[in-house]
Amino acid sequence: AQTVTQSQPEMSVQEAETVTLSCTYDTSESDYYLFWYKQPPSRQMILVIRQEAYKQQNATENRFSVNFQKAAKSFSLKISDSQLGDAAMYFCAYRSGYPDMRFGAGTRLTVKP
Amino acid sequence: GAVVSQHPSRVICKSGTSVKIECRSLDFQATTMFWYRQFPKQSLMLMATSNEGSKATYEQGVEKDKFLINHASLTLSTLTVTSAHPEDSSFYICSGQGSGKTQYFGPGTRLLVL
Repeated sequence: AQTVTQSQPEMSVQEAETVTLSCTYDTSESDYYLFWYKQPPSRQMILVIRQEAYKQQNATENRFSVNFQKAAKSFSLKISDSQLGDAAMYFCAYRSGYPDMRFGAGTRLTVKP
Repeated sequence: GAVVSQHPSRVICKSGTSVKIECRSLDFQATTMFWYRQFPKQSLMLMATSNEGSKATYEQGVEKDKFLINHASLTLSTLTVTSAHPEDSSFYICSGQGSGKTQYFGPGTRLLVL
């Protein structure tokens, strides 16, 4: 079974600084997708970034980028120039051919002014 | 991105009553919809997966007679919590997936059973 592990229950970053959230996963599949979702206090799940496993190039969305290491089964999220609005729970998620997604336990990010 | 709505956003009901939660994909056709439950400070737990026009597939441990799911159209799925009890109090989130591989989530429904 596929599992997703987020080893950092909580992280803190100073405003304008950079922070990296870790995620590892376990799978025997070769074709799959990885996602980072953000859940602010409103509890609305918001897609931050996605990565297709077959793509070697790391995905980037403005201040958000990933470091995808397929061999190591690692998928970390880097947030640059952190803003107060980035404070939220961040969930790493995996899905393969079967439609449902597997989520990690989440990392609570605090941004200090 | 695609938009998914949920209604109601919050509901309080008496024990023993049934509650229906609606999930709508507003600007795309969701061939598959998912229902999750989230306990405080925890991750999302998948309850069931439904494809339009088909019976839902429930995860192990989820009572299908208690959590009735209907996916009658490509834009609407409903979750009915039947004979709700206080232990059913939780945050319920739906998501929809169209032709792509990304799920888009609704804003969630907070259910409180007294």
